[in-house]
Amino acid sequence: SQQGEEDPQALSIQEGENATMNCSYKTSINNLQWYRQNSGRGLVHLILIRSNEREKHSGRLRVTLDTSKKSSSLLITASRAADTASYFCALLETSGSRLTFGEGTQLTVNP
Amino acid sequence: KAGVTQTPRYLIKTRGQQVTLSCSPISGHRSVSWYQQTPGQGLQFLFEYFSETQRNKGNFPGRFSGRQFSNSRSEMNVSTLELGDSALYLCASSLTGRQGESEQYFGPGTRLTVT
Repeated sequence: SQQGEEDPQALSIQEGENATMNCSYKTSINNLQWYRQNSGRGLVHLILIRSNEREKHSGRLRVTLDTSKKSSSLLITASRAADTASYFCALLETSGSRLTFGEGTQLTVNP
Repeated sequence: KAGVTQTPRYLIKTRGQQVTLSCSPISGHRSVSWYQQTPGQGLQFLFEYFSETQRNKGNFPGRFSGRQFSNSRSEMNVSTLELGDSALYLCASSLTGRQGESEQYFGPGTRLTVT
């Protein structure tokens, strides 16, 4: 199974700024999901976007999916210190049987 | 609804011992997946259970095993512990269907340290 590749590996911004994280993959997918993990804790599901969807919103989060470029992006607007966490993309390949997680992007939001 | 619970939260074992970790999924969820997370390897899939049957398995040695009970609670066992087994073990539950078709709900994890 393939995994998504997140970019950048680490991102440091100031409170109030927007944060953008990207995830690229190689084969066709059923869906792509974004999760957040605070240090040493469990993952929290953020958004699931299916292959026939292009954009989804949830509060300050916006996820886009471009299946022609095989990439997705997660945008966090008006970031807060509490957004400091690792963000993972996970994808379910069309022919796959389970989710595979990428290496994650470490986001630091400085107050 | 109560979230996914995992016990114990922290565990220290010595090499050669065995360990059993427990996971209680969200009520109504029948799929339980286990992951190992380490700084070097990231989040690695161990196995998934659905209706008491192992439905998926990752690339881990046979020392890693699991089971699921009729109430969907799941346990994983690691025998003959090695230093490299030190990790955060995460359990996740989801509703029916193919694993990954819907969102997964994670527990807080069990931090295992092998000395």
